[in-house]
This record gives sequence, structure tokens and C-alpha cells, in this order.
Amino acid sequence: AQTVTQSQPEMSVQEAETVTLSCTYDTSESDYYLFWYKQPPSRQMILVIRQEAYKQQNATENRFSVNFQKAAKSFSLKISDSQLGDAAMYFCAYRRLNNAGNMLTFGGGTRLMVKP
Amino acid sequence: DTAVSQTPKYLVTQMGNDKSIKCEQNLGHDTMYWYKQDSKKFLKIMFSYNNKELIINETVPNRFSPKSPDKAHLNLHINSLELGDSAVYFCASSPPPGTEAFFGQGTRLTVV
Repeated sequence: AQTVTQSQPEMSVQEAETVTLSCTYDTSESDYYLFWYKQPPSRQMILVIRQEAYKQQNATENRFSVNFQKAAKSFSLKISDSQLGDAAMYFCAYRRLNNAGNMLTFGGGTRLMVKP
Repeated sequence: DTAVSQTPKYLVTQMGNDKSIKCEQNLGHDTMYWYKQDSKKFLKIMFSYNNKELIINETVPNRFSPKSPDKAHLNLHINSLELGDSAVYFCASSPPPGTEAFFGQGTRLTVV
């Protein structure tokens, strides 16, 4: 079974600074997706960024980027120019490719605090 | 225009009661899920449906019964509620071939 591990229960960053959230996963598959979701206090789950395992290029979405190391099974999220609105729980997630009904497996989450 | 909607958002009920949570998605997705988020924020899959058929049923007590009347709806019925069922329940859907999941806003269930 696939497992996803987020080793940082909490992180703190100063506004306008950069922070990196860590994620490692375990799988025997070669094709899969990886995701970062944000959950603000409103509890809505919001997709931040997606990475396809077959793509070597790291995904970026505005201030959010990932460092995908397939051999090391590592998938970290970098948030640049942190804003107060970035404060939330962040979840790393894994999903196998092309299997109907297959689910996302989530890490335990990292709570990000942004200091003004 | 909500993509995945759940009702109710909040549910407070007594032990032993039976309750249902409804979920609807207007995205045309084939696959729908129920996830449970516990008090420590851990998200765990409960059920997965594809085109109204049950695909995944994790180790969930028999008191939990999902029902999918059509591809756009996946409801969750819970019998004989227990204190330990208190959690946030998320409905989600995803398109083929299986990319990200789109989540509803969650239902906070409190059993007293």
C-alpha cells in the first residue's frame, strides 16, 4: 500500500519570506500523480499544485512550486513571498494512474503559520 | 454553480440516531468518494464509487452505508451513531483518467 509522510507537523514563516514543506511517499508504481492541497480554516480543500510522475519538469503555479525527486520519492512544496492568506493546513497526496475509482492517499498534513 | 456540494454543513445529533449526508457533483465526473477527517486532521478514504458501482470500501463499520442513485450523487447514511463518529466528512469527485479530486465543503458531524 502507498504511504505518504509529512514530517513537519507545523511550520512558521515570516510574511514575504519563502518556506518549504516536505513530503515523502512510498510506492512501487512508476506512473502516478502527486498533489498539494491547502485547507484554510474554512475547511475547504483547495488544490494548490499537481505533478505527473512521468514529467521531469517541476510544476509551478504562481508563488507555488514543487521539487519533485522521483528516485528519492520526495515531493516538497515551496511557497515564495508568503502571504497571510497562505496560513492553512497543507496536505500532500498521492494517486495511482489510470485506475477507475482509485483514491488519493494523504499525508498527515503540515500546519503553516504566517507571521506579519 | 458549486461543483461538489454537500448538505448539511453542520450536523449535531445524539448517540444512537441515524443520519444522512447528501452529496452532489455537477462536473460530470465518473468517480466519487467519501473521506473522513478526524480531530487530528488526518484524511482517510472511506468509500469510492465509479459510475454508481462501489470500488473501494475501506475498513469502515457496517453502520456506514453509501448509496449512489446516479453518477452525480453519492449519499452517506450512518446508523446508530457513536461518539467516535464525530468528524468532518468530505465528499469528492474526480474525472477519468484520474487526476485531482474536487472536494465538497465538508460536513462537520458532532455526536453528543
